[in-house]
Amino acid sequence: EDQVTQSPEALRLQEGESSSLNCSYTVSGLRGLFWYRQDPGKGPEFLFTLYSAGEEKEKERLKATLTKKESFLHITAPKPEDSATYLCAGFSGTYKYIFGTGTRLKVLA
Amino acid sequence: DAGVIQSPRHEVTEMGQEVTLRCKPISGHDYLFWYRQTMMRGLELLIYFNNNVPIDDSGMPEDRFSAKMPNASFSTLKIQPSEPRDSAVYFCASSPGLAGGVNEQFFGPGTRLTVL
Repeated sequence: EDQVTQSPEALRLQEGESSSLNCSYTVSGLRGLFWYRQDPGKGPEFLFTLYSAGEEKEKERLKATLTKKESFLHITAPKPEDSATYLCAGFSGTYKYIFGTGTRLKVLA
Repeated sequence: DAGVIQSPRHEVTEMGQEVTLRCKPISGHDYLFWYRQTMMRGLELLIYFNNNVPIDDSGMPEDRFSAKMPNASFSTLKIQPSEPRDSAVYFCASSPGLAGGVNEQFFGPGTRLTVL
């Protein structure tokens, strides 16, 4: 069964304290791995798509990487405005989207 | 573009009542998705359409749920009869296409449904 597992469930960081969020996946025929950001009371907002192992993408303080079993979202020197829930999703070979339950990130000033 | 539009934003109803959620996708997007989000189960894909045709409805929980897309600019998700366990936030999302089999989705603001 296709599955996406994110860890940790919740993470508290001090402003400037870098860290990584993990997304482990077992998705048959993975066509793409997505990262989204979700703010309270809003829909998820697209961040990155990764297509193959070894690929990396960056946007401001965020960098996403992909291996054959997991993806990482690295947050460098985070700021309070980076506080949100980060969702990971796999798109399978049978054209199904499988979302993880997310990591709730809180960055303290 | 105004983005994906959903209505209503909040809905409170009593068990047994019919509920209809509405969605207007981004113009030109070929794919439309309906999701349900709860604290316990996270984000679940219910159904998605390509060019107004349902492609995968395997996530629709039971026969009480139905979705239609009569044209490229409108879709509905109906629950009849509603039950308290249907309480959740329902999101609609659209995508410009699955070129190469992959594409990001643009989500609406969601409808928060409470069934008493």
